[in-house]
Amino acid sequence: DTAVSQTPKYLVTQMGNDKSIKCEQNLGHDTMYWYKQDSKKFLKIMFSYNNKELIINETVPNRFSPKSPDKAHLNLHINSLELGDSAVYFCASSQEFPAGGRVTQYFGPGTRLLVL
Amino acid sequence: AQSVTQPDIHITVSEGASLELRCNYSYGATPYLFWYVQSPGQGLQLLLKYFSGDTLVQGIKGFEAEFKRSQSSFNLRKPSVHWSDAAEYFCAVGDRVGNQFYFGTGTSLTVIP
Repeated sequence: DTAVSQTPKYLVTQMGNDKSIKCEQNLGHDTMYWYKQDSKKFLKIMFSYNNKELIINETVPNRFSPKSPDKAHLNLHINSLELGDSAVYFCASSQEFPAGGRVTQYFGPGTRLLVL
Repeated sequence: AQSVTQPDIHITVSEGASLELRCNYSYGATPYLFWYVQSPGQGLQLLLKYFSGDTLVQGIKGFEAEFKRSQSSFNLRKPSVHWSDAAEYFCAVGDRVGNQFYFGTGTSLTVIP
């Protein structure tokens, strides 16, 4: 069984479009995250949710909006896509809120977004 | 500000040879330290982690890492590399105060027969 799954795996779209990426975890974890990995492989956290509550909201454009309908899901909606949004987006989860960064995260396979 | 440096962007080793991947961090105290591996087209998988105690930690797939406080380093090692170890390796730091994570830029490992 897949622990952390993301859909779609690949997403190719035009500038200006709105798109969503879905993430689901079946590990029973309380905390979920979104990361962006750029073309240089640099991985940076975007958001963190704990029990459906937004905990970490890094400096990302407000075109990006996470939504957590329940503890097992954390979706990422992106409005008005721009060329610079092209990247790989990873969802992750951890059993508990990262009190002091002391958690192990489980990552999904990534969604490769290409904006044309 | 906290940061994680992986000085080697790309390393090539022969199968069966030993491996050491370097990781240095900048942090005011001892952070929580992690190594993750990313196989092509896959997500990140945890290899090992250090929170406290013994500074030499063992991980999966025969990897180990040693925390050296004096050098602010957490280098990853494997005595004999297998072709299946070819992947991207990320060092990460967990912030004890700010509940944040910081990843290095990764080291790409190529294994030649």
